[in-house]
Amino acid sequence: TQLLEQSPQFLSIQEGENLTVYCNSSSVFSSLQWYRQEPGEGPVLLVTVVTGGEVKKLKRLTFQFGDARKDSSLHITAAQTGDTGLYLCAGAGQGAQKLVFGQGTRLTINP
Amino acid sequence: DTGVSQDPRHKITKRGQNVTFRCDPISEHNRLYWYRQTLGQGPEFLTYFQNEAQLEKSRLLSNRFSAERPKGSFSTLEIQRTEQGDSAMYLCASRQLYRGEGTQYFGPGTRLLVL
Repeated sequence: TQLLEQSPQFLSIQEGENLTVYCNSSSVFSSLQWYRQEPGEGPVLLVTVVTGGEVKKLKRLTFQFGDARKDSSLHITAAQTGDTGLYLCAGAGQGAQKLVFGQGTRLTINP
Repeated sequence: DTGVSQDPRHKITKRGQNVTFRCDPISEHNRLYWYRQTLGQGPEFLTYFQNEAQLEKSRLLSNRFSAERPKGSFSTLEIQRTEQGDSAMYLCASRQLYRGEGTQYFGPGTRLLVL
């Protein structure tokens, strides 16, 4: 069974600070996706990473896929209150490519 | 708006009643997935379709659950004889089979509360 461990589960920091969220597994994934979810809504895709070692940037967000395609990180620079939300990582296996989700990181950015 | 729609957005029902949810995927997407998300957890896979064929079901999908995608477009998820433990957010996602990156796009979900 593929599992994704996401850490930290909760993070509360001040506006302007930097932060990193980690997503780790013992399994290899064909791709890994990061989503952000607001209360009462479905997950909204932020990025998909496919190649081991890949780095993608989305404004102040930097996503990295581990060389072995087992882990990933999300780094936010100069966090803003609008970054507050639930961040989910999800790995896609081979074949059906059903997603295995981490338990999420609930991020709160305080003004 | 991702292009995936779900109906209803909210459903309150009494224990023992049947409920049915609908998902309309992005039109050119031939794979459709159902997930369930309980409070404080990430979504968990329930089942998926490739066109009209249901190809995999999770052990989470008890025999009270049934899903269909009759014409390879929209899908329905029915729960019979609902139990309080069925209370959750039910999410639908779709993807294009031949895009190798595996990106799935989610709908807004149907939140079910069983009293």
